[in-house]
Amino acid sequence: EAGVAQSPRYKIIEKRQSVAFWCNPISGHATLYWYQQILGQGPKLLIQFQNNGVVDDSQLPKDRFSAERLKGVDSTLKIQPAKLEDSAVYLCASSWGDRSYEQYFGPGTRLTVT
Amino acid sequence: AQSVTQLDSQVPVFEEAPVELRCNYSSSVSVYLFWYVQYPNQGLQLLLKYLSGSTLVESINGFEAEFNKSQTSFHLRKPSVHISDTAEYFCAVRSDDKIIFGKGTRLHILP
Repeated sequence: EAGVAQSPRYKIIEKRQSVAFWCNPISGHATLYWYQQILGQGPKLLIQFQNNGVVDDSQLPKDRFSAERLKGVDSTLKIQPAKLEDSAVYLCASSWGDRSYEQYFGPGTRLTVT
Repeated sequence: AQSVTQLDSQVPVFEEAPVELRCNYSSSVSVYLFWYVQYPNQGLQLLLKYLSGSTLVESINGFEAEFNKSQTSFHLRKPSVHISDTAEYFCAVRSDDKIIFGKGTRLHILP
């Protein structure tokens, strides 16, 4: 089966600019996750969707980050405006609805904010 | 909330030597524990997991981890490493239906 797809793989922007990342989960996976992985740290959950509803966005900086999963499949994560500290790898993962302990990760998008 | 601690940020080891990557978790009544591996420029892959039952869990590529409740540990071991094991390894715990990751340990294989 196809894995979790993400694009772009790399992105360089200047601070205060906007950026969007796209994720296509594994077919049939109801749950989708966005993580932020800063260099030298483990991934941190930003937001979790169950189908097209938000389950947990407690660690999402809502003043600048937004995410949507309109049709319960693909998802986009947006940063507007970006700050230097947003430089990180943004990972998307998906899982069957009731098996959050078995997540499948995409390759990630490496964002550099200059 | 649960948490995990990986004390070693880097572990250098010679090829074909044994290795242990340490992980300790905060105590709880029940716990699900995981090891994920991240090869260079790739996403994370689940290496092995402990949900219940046997305290020793194994992966298909020779790694094993032992759940030790008294020491609140879930160390990852391999008796003989290969150059292809070069990667970053993350210990993780399930907490409130979320996965909480440690900071990772970079395994550096020396020729």
